[in-house]
Amino acid sequence: DVKVTQSSRYLVKRTGEKVFLECVQDMDHENMFWYRQDPGLGLRLIYFSYDVKMKEKGDIPEGYSVSREKKERFSLILESASTNQTSMYLCASHSPYIGELFFGEGSRLTVL
Amino acid sequence: DAKTTQPPSMDCAEGRAANLPCNHSTISGNEYVYWYRQIHSQGPQYIIHGLKNNETNEMASLIITEDRKSSTLILPHATLRDTAVYYCIVRAPFGNEKLTFGTGTRLTIIP
Repeated sequence: DVKVTQSSRYLVKRTGEKVFLECVQDMDHENMFWYRQDPGLGLRLIYFSYDVKMKEKGDIPEGYSVSREKKERFSLILESASTNQTSMYLCASHSPYIGELFFGEGSRLTVL
Repeated sequence: DAKTTQPPSMDCAEGRAANLPCNHSTISGNEYVYWYRQIHSQGPQYIIHGLKNNETNEMASLIITEDRKSSTLILPHATLRDTAVYYCIVRAPFGNEKLTFGTGTRLTIIP
């Protein structure tokens, strides 16, 4: 069964902390994505990557960075967490050669 | 910005067909229409996709207008478990593009 796994379902961090959200996929997909989801705003794209060590900004990259050192792993980094980054974060992957997008279960981050 | 627009919410009686519209008036010739749904507290899941012909699978049917500027997802016999947020997106079959979602339609199935 195909799988996108996010390391933590729930996290609570303090303002100013560095936060790592990890995502691993087992489908050998080239493309991986990070979204955040907030009430009334839908899914908004933060960053995406179409190959190892490649990254592209999405619609709301400010305050975030990403790392893709291996094909199966895509990490989202909050260098200095702020309260307005409290949100649900969703990772997804797909092959660029057609096919659906597979999502992880999400990581709910609370920044105090 | 999302390339699609959907109504923010809809209700449907249990057992009836739920018809969810999506407008994608700027769709390109090679872009597919994909539908996903997100049940509370879970990641979105794929439902169906199509290019220009109508499609059906075990979950739903997808009707795409002849000019491809809009489509309708049909859940033929809605159940309470179909209560979810439904997203429509468009994407090309090849290449490395960012995939943007809108706010989707919150479908509530009424007992």
